[in-house]
Amino acid sequence: AQTVTQSQPEMSVQEAETVTLSCTYDTSESDYYLFWYKQPPSRQMILVIRQEAYKQQNATENRFSVNFQKAAKSFSLKISDSQLGDAAMYFCAYNGNNNAGNMLTFGGGTRLMVKP
Amino acid sequence: DADVTQTPRNRITKTGKRIMLECSQTKGHDRMYWYRQDPGLGLRLIYYSFDVKDINKGEISDGYSVSRQAQAKFSLSLESAIPNQTALYFCATSDPVGPAGMNEQFFGPGTRLTVL
Repeated sequence: AQTVTQSQPEMSVQEAETVTLSCTYDTSESDYYLFWYKQPPSRQMILVIRQEAYKQQNATENRFSVNFQKAAKSFSLKISDSQLGDAAMYFCAYNGNNNAGNMLTFGGGTRLMVKP
Repeated sequence: DADVTQTPRNRITKTGKRIMLECSQTKGHDRMYWYRQDPGLGLRLIYYSFDVKDINKGEISDGYSVSRQAQAKFSLSLESAIPNQTALYFCATSDPVGPAGMNEQFFGPGTRLTVL
């Protein structure tokens, strides 16, 4: 079974600075997808960014980018120019391509605080 | 209007009571999911459904049942609620277009359930 680990329960960053959230995963599959979801205080789960394992190029979405290290099974999220609205819980998630149920396996989450 | 809605948003109930959480979607997706969120554990899959006639157990189905009344509706029931079922519950949908793992899951706003 796949597992996803987020080793940082809480992180803080100064507004306008850069922060990196860590995620590692364990799998025997070679083809899979990785996601970062944001959960603000409203509780809504919002997809931030996705990465296909077969792509070597790291995904980017505006101020959000990932550092995907397939051999190390690491998938960190970098937030540049942090804004107050980035304060939220962030979840890393895994979805294997052999997973007929299209089920997501989530990490335990990292709470990000942004200081003004 | 929200594409995935959940009712109620918050519920307090007592041990032994039967309770139903409802999910509706207007996205036209065939696949629907119920997850449970606990602090430090992320989200875990309870049940999922590919269509009205296809219901599958997830990682933590004990103590729960589901009903897929229509493509747009997927309900989660706790037959006899117990305190350790106190959690945040999410419904999600996805569309099986392209490789399974690419499918983004669209989440409802969540239901916070407290069992006393």
